[in-house]
Amino acid sequence: DAGVIQSPRHEVTEMGQEVTLRCKPISGHDYLFWYRQTMMRGLELLIYFNNNVPIDDSGMPEDRFSAKMPNASFSTLKIQPSEPRDSAVYFCASTPGQDSPLHFGNGTRLTVT
Amino acid sequence: GENVEQHPSTLSVQEGDSAVIKCTYSDSASNYFPWYKQELGKGPQLIIDIRSNVGEKKDQRIAVTLNKTAKHFSLHITETQPEDSAVYFCAASTYNNNDMRFGAGTRLTVKP
Repeated sequence: DAGVIQSPRHEVTEMGQEVTLRCKPISGHDYLFWYRQTMMRGLELLIYFNNNVPIDDSGMPEDRFSAKMPNASFSTLKIQPSEPRDSAVYFCASTPGQDSPLHFGNGTRLTVT
Repeated sequence: GENVEQHPSTLSVQEGDSAVIKCTYSDSASNYFPWYKQELGKGPQLIIDIRSNVGEKKDQRIAVTLNKTAKHFSLHITETQPEDSAVYFCAASTYNNNDMRFGAGTRLTVKP
């Protein structure tokens, strides 16, 4: 089991550029979550999917953020255009079902200058 | 929605001593309480969890206690070792993971 795989590990970009973060969940896990971690706000849930369908995106900060899950083994989080305040560590997590622990990836550290 | 408070924010102990981290939650409907350990450069990893029908759970040097009446739960680490140094997060949720809320984290340092 390779665990949840995220890429890239680090991303540095200039304000206004488009950023795409990628996630491969653990095979067989029906739920996928995107979290953002900052010193000020801690771990925040952005959006989660069940069987590739977005269920709750109320945590997405604004329209600049979008997430997709085209199939059971791949998800993307896109920020367009990026802003310095988007700088954070973005985590993807998956779980086989409700009432089960989350399995986190190692995150993508995003820096927007 | 659920609000999880965690304290202390930092904790320093001598190797071999015990460490205790406490959390409170606001939603009485919460029934699942996991604890995660996050090492530098890595994602949070589950170390232990407890459900509302249990008051205490232990796994080797780690134990968690839950007081549903007072809406608080605690993590206890005994015989601490330097490799226990990390940031620890508590969390609370109802049956659905989508409403899992995390505490702000506790940075634990174990001095050799």
